[in-house]
Amino acid sequence: DAKTTQPPSMDCAEGRAANLPCNHSTISGNEYVYWYRQIHSQGPQYIIHGLKNNETNEMASLIITEDRKSSTLILPHATLRDTAVYYCIGGDSGNTPLVFGKGTRLSVIA
Amino acid sequence: KAGVTQTPRYLIKTRGQQVTLSCSPISGHRSVSWYQQTPGQGLQFLFEYFSETQRNKGNFPGRFSGRQFSNSRSEMNVSTLELGDSALYLCASSLTGFLTEAFFGQGTRLTVV
Repeated sequence: DAKTTQPPSMDCAEGRAANLPCNHSTISGNEYVYWYRQIHSQGPQYIIHGLKNNETNEMASLIITEDRKSSTLILPHATLRDTAVYYCIGGDSGNTPLVFGKGTRLSVIA
Repeated sequence: KAGVTQTPRYLIKTRGQQVTLSCSPISGHRSVSWYQQTPGQGLQFLFEYFSETQRNKGNFPGRFSGRQFSNSRSEMNVSTLELGDSALYLCASSLTGFLTEAFFGQGTRLTVV
């Protein structure tokens, strides 16, 4: 499994874009990058995943560098409800259990 | 559609007892996985079931076991409870495997006294 490294915490002003970085320098060619978040006292919530290309859905965008050693999750207009711990996970789709690290605690400030 | 349902939400047990937790996945999902979350260790993978077969297992002692029924509902059992088993136990379901858009339940908060 790819080991991932994330900053422990970040702040973001409400309405601004939140850019959450993740280093995954050991990721192999068939391993995806997945992002989940956990809002206090709730189960984790799937956000987005990608392999090589940038991805976008209704929640966020995922930018993966060309060498695939790092990625950035972008929440385009952060709201107070986006305050959560964000986890970046590397793994082989369908065969690897989710290995959660410590994640990044994002605080969105009014 | 209905989400992942875990019962009970809260549980208090005494050391040495055993406990069974239940998870009903999203309709049509065949993969159910279980995780333990504690403040010290974070979220840790316990095991995964797919079509009634355990497909993967994390690094937990044999006191932790599970099973999956033909309707994909899953149960997790912990025997001879220890104080350190106090945790939030989370269940996740997905269509085919863990990582592809897994949906988590609200969890069962187990307290061992």
